Amino acid sequence: DGGITQSPKYLFRKEGQNVTLSCEQNLNHDAMYWYRQDPGQGLRLIYYSQIVNDFQKGDIAEGYSVSREKKESFPLTVTSAQKNPTAFYLCASSPRPGSMNIQYFGAGTRLSVL
Amino acid sequence: QKEVEQNSGPLSVPEGAIASLNCTYSDRGSQSFFWYRQYSGKSPELIMFIYSNGDKEDGRFTAQLNKASQYVSLLIRDSQPSDSATYLCAVRNNAGNMLTFGGGTRLMVKP
Repeated sequence: DGGITQSPKYLFRKEGQNVTLSCEQNLNHDAMYWYRQDPGQGLRLIYYSQIVNDFQKGDIAEGYSVSREKKESFPLTVTSAQKNPTAFYLCASSPRPGSMNIQYFGAGTRLSVL
Repeated sequence: QKEVEQNSGPLSVPEGAIASLNCTYSDRGSQSFFWYRQYSGKSPELIMFIYSNGDKEDGRFTAQLNKASQYVSLLIRDSQPSDSATYLCAVRNNAGNMLTFGGGTRLMVKP
């Protein structure tokens, strides 16, 4: 099945711990995105990548890091510097930058702090 | 001023009625506009996109775009309880590489 797979579905972080959220797509999409969604809010862009080995900060990149070593993978690390990490994290991909930029979403990872 | 604004709702309509959801945006150069539906606890799914002034219809859904007034709307005809969800408006930036999302409007369709 083609799609975007995020794992884990639920994740718990201890104080001072870094955690990594996985996002894998087999759609052969060039661009990938990470969003954060707080309860009752819209989506805010954390990082995006238009091509392998390149990525750009979004609106709320502080306390997060990413890598794009493979076209199909775009993991997000929530570092200890992110003091309020509890949120719903969504990964998306789109066929190529520009054009219509239709984005498709994974099922999300819900992160909570212990 | 937020770049993409939506009334948070909830918007409550009876089953069978028309639901009208509105979105305004600040970047006059925006080219493409998207409506996503998000059920509680789930990820957003694309309903429609529009890039030309006027109406675009797909089944019970109609997207309307007015670039001069900088608003885009979504009409849902014959609303069903299964349409109860949060509807997110998204606007593509000029460079075409990012979407900016509004805060979403929660729709409740009552049987």
